[in-house]
Amino acid sequence: DAGVIQSPRHEVTEMGQEVTLRCKPISGHDYLFWYRQTMMRGLELLIYFNNNVPIDDSGMPEDRFSAKMPNASFSTLKIQPSEPRDSAVYFCASSWPGQGGLGKNIQYFGAGTRLSVL
Amino acid sequence: ELKVEQNPLFLSMQEGKNYTIYCNYSTTSDRLYWYRQDPGKSLESLFVLLSNGAVKQEGRLMASLDTKARLSTLHITAAVHDLSATYFCAVDLTASGSRLTFGEGTQLTVNP
Repeated sequence: DAGVIQSPRHEVTEMGQEVTLRCKPISGHDYLFWYRQTMMRGLELLIYFNNNVPIDDSGMPEDRFSAKMPNASFSTLKIQPSEPRDSAVYFCASSWPGQGGLGKNIQYFGAGTRLSVL
Repeated sequence: ELKVEQNPLFLSMQEGKNYTIYCNYSTTSDRLYWYRQDPGKSLESLFVLLSNGAVKQEGRLMASLDTKARLSTLHITAAVHDLSATYFCAVDLTASGSRLTFGEGTQLTVNP
């Protein structure tokens, strides 16, 4: 398997623009996670899905952020409008409870999208 | 609110030396993960610890979990330069491993 695939790898945009980040999870994984990593706040969970259904979005910073998972092989994280403080690396991860042995539910991370909002 | 604290946050060590990274967490959990991140790269799973007293070893790295003390350790034996990276512990409060709270990370530099 190619692993978790994220696009784009880098995104530079201007304040106020809409940004859409994309993620393709590992085939067969039923959990999908979106994280944000910054120097100040570290690695934060934004939202996660199970079987395409959002389970916990308490980490989504505000209404400008939205995430969807229309099917088992695709998810998007959208920021509208974007602000400079949204600049970060955004990671997508996926997991399956049986991966690595029953109960481990190891999360596999994509390469990340580095977002810069000017 | 679950808090996960690692120390040290920065560690510079010489090749061949031993050292331990500590991960303390504030709420009872029986599930703890260790990840490695190379600069500018993604996170790679190292260990999953699922019970009190669990010990896992891979090469020069050994991780352990003491759920009563709410403490996990990552021990490095005879460090080599290739181990230079940032190491994160992550704790899960759910029964499924689906809601991880990450520590701040320990940036390890192994000098020749």
